[in-house]
Amino acid sequence: QVQLVESGGGLVKPGGSLRLSCAASGFTFSDYYMSWIRKAPGQGLEWVSYSDSRGKTIYYSDSVKGRFTISRDNAKGLLSLQMNSLRAEDTAVYYCAKLAYSYIDYWGQGILVTVSS
Amino acid sequence: QSALTQPASVSGSPGQSITISCTGSSSDVGSYNRVSWYQQHPGKAPDVIIYEVTKRPSGVSDRFSGSKSGNTASLTISGLQAEDEAEYYCCSYAGGSSPWVFGGGTKLTVL
Repeated sequence: QVQLVESGGGLVKPGGSLRLSCAASGFTFSDYYMSWIRKAPGQGLEWVSYSDSRGKTIYYSDSVKGRFTISRDNAKGLLSLQMNSLRAEDTAVYYCAKLAYSYIDYWGQGILVTVSS
Repeated sequence: QSALTQPASVSGSPGQSITISCTGSSSDVGSYNRVSWYQQHPGKAPDVIIYEVTKRPSGVSDRFSGSKSGNTASLTISGLQAEDEAEYYCCSYAGGSSPWVFGGGTKLTVL
């Protein structure tokens, strides 16, 4: 069965960096677009970034553009999100998500990132 | 890209039907039949309940249905059950530099 397992979250000071990873299994990772989506406390879902199946076409939300970098290792089934220059407003649960063309068909369990001094 | 507009909350009694609206623009909901709906219980990851406006994934109850008219998509839940109490999010493809956009979420309370 499809599994998406996030890791790398935690507490970081403003201006700091963190790298999230998502280990994917149960499907042919290299065939699918993948995304990072977050939910801040008391807020709704926000699309953070997504990557096409080869990592060639990549999009970022305006709120993270220039600070976050998405990447993938298709050989290892690994999706990553490098987060730099973190701000308090980046505090959220981050979800790794698999896209089925027009919608998200699988989500990871989510991992908490807290940006605070 | 602006978020899609959903009511902050809706409520209904067991057995009743409710509808949640999701209003976008001609750049997203109005232009594409790639509207999906997600149900999220507290502390859990979201689950898709409707995709491509009207389609239900295997295993999702037929009490959930979706529709679209112009720039507004809707989710209807019939025969409300206690387990339906959750947050519901719509999402639409929007093309351009930020191709996907979520609604702000709607908290459903089953009275």
